Parts: sequence; C-alpha cells; structure tokens
Amino acid sequence: QVQLVESGGGVVQPGGSLRLSCEASGFTFGAYGMNWVRQAPGKGLEWVAAVWADGKRKDYANSVEGRFTVSRDISKKTLHLQMNSLRAEDSAVYYCARDEGLVRFQYWGRGTQVTVSS
Amino acid sequence: QSVLTQPPSVSAAPGQKVTISCSGSDSNIGNNYVSWYQHLPGAAPKLLIYENNKRPSGIPDRFSGSKSGTSATLAVTGLQTGDETDYYCGTWDNNLSAGVFGGGTKLTVL
Repeated sequence: QVQLVESGGGVVQPGGSLRLSCEASGFTFGAYGMNWVRQAPGKGLEWVAAVWADGKRKDYANSVEGRFTVSRDISKKTLHLQMNSLRAEDSAVYYCARDEGLVRFQYWGRGTQVTVSS
Repeated sequence: QSVLTQPPSVSAAPGQKVTISCSGSDSNIGNNYVSWYQHLPGAAPKLLIYENNKRPSGIPDRFSGSKSGTSATLAVTGLQTGDETDYYCGTWDNNLSAGVFGGGTKLTVL
C-alpha cells in the first residue's frame, strides 16, 4: 500500500536551515508529482511546493520562493524540502502528499513538526 | 488572506444537511478542478471530493461536491457527530502557478 513518511523536522533558530525528507513506498515514485503542504498552529492548510512527475518543473508558494527548494531522489524514493532563511512564520506541521492531479492529494504522510524559535 | 474564500464556520443538527462554499476566480476554480479535504486534528487531511464532484473509494455518498463558474460547494447530508471538524477546498491557480487552499471551514454538529 502507498505510504509516505516525513522526517527531519525539529527546532531551529530564525535564519537557520532544515532539510525535510519524505520516504515513499508502495508505488512507482518517479511516476508521480509530489507536493509539500503545511499547517501553522491555529491556521489552515497552505500549499508550499511541488515537483512535477517529469522531475523538471518545480513550483513554489510566494511565501517560500527563493528560500525553499524541493527535490527528489528517485533511486531512494525520497522527496526533500530544503528550507533556508527560516522565519517564525514557517513554524508548522509539514506534510508531503502524492499528486493525482492538480491539488488532488489522495495520499498524505503523517507530517513532521518544524518550529522556528530563538 | 487565502486566494479561495470559505466561510469560517457552519453548523447544523445531526441528520441535517450543510453546505460549505468556496469562492475563487477564473485563474483557479474557473479553469481547474476543485478538491475537498476533511482534516481531523492530529491526522493527515483526507480527500473527500476530487474533480469537482467525484468521490474516492470509501468516501460515503453523504459527501458531494459541485462547481459553477468560479465557485464550488461541498454538501454533507445526514450529519453525524464524527463529521465535526475542518474542511478545505483546494485547486491550482494558473496565474500564481501554485496550489491554493481555502481558509478552511469548521463544521459544528449541534
């Protein structure tokens, strides 16, 4: 069955960096686009970034453009989110999700918590 | 402020019907499919509706979706206490080249 497991969250100071990972299993990883979605405390869902199935096209929310980089390693079936220049407002639970169509996410991970605080 | 607009809250009695609206524009809802998600605290969001009105396997037919122009609607009939949680609409925005979600609607079953 399809499984997505995020890791790499933690506490980091403002201006710092973190790299999140999402390990996939149960499907042909390279055949699907993958996304990151986050939820800050007390807030709603926010789409963060996507890497399309071709692996070449990548899109980002305006709020993270230039600071976050999404990538994937097909051989390891792993999606990454490199987060630099972190701000307090980046504190959230970060989910990875498999793309079945634009913002059609059938499968999600359980999420990993990122806290940006001094 | 979210690109897609949802009411912050809706409520109805058990067994009744409730609708949740999602308003957007030509660059998002007007030209793309809409999905709806149910998000229980501490859990991953669950896809309820995709391509405006289709239900994934395992989602009861109490949940239905529709779209007209630049707005979409989620309807929940036969309300149960277990339906009490947050609901989100989502789609792609062609101008932003980004995914967008509504701000979320808290459903209360009175």
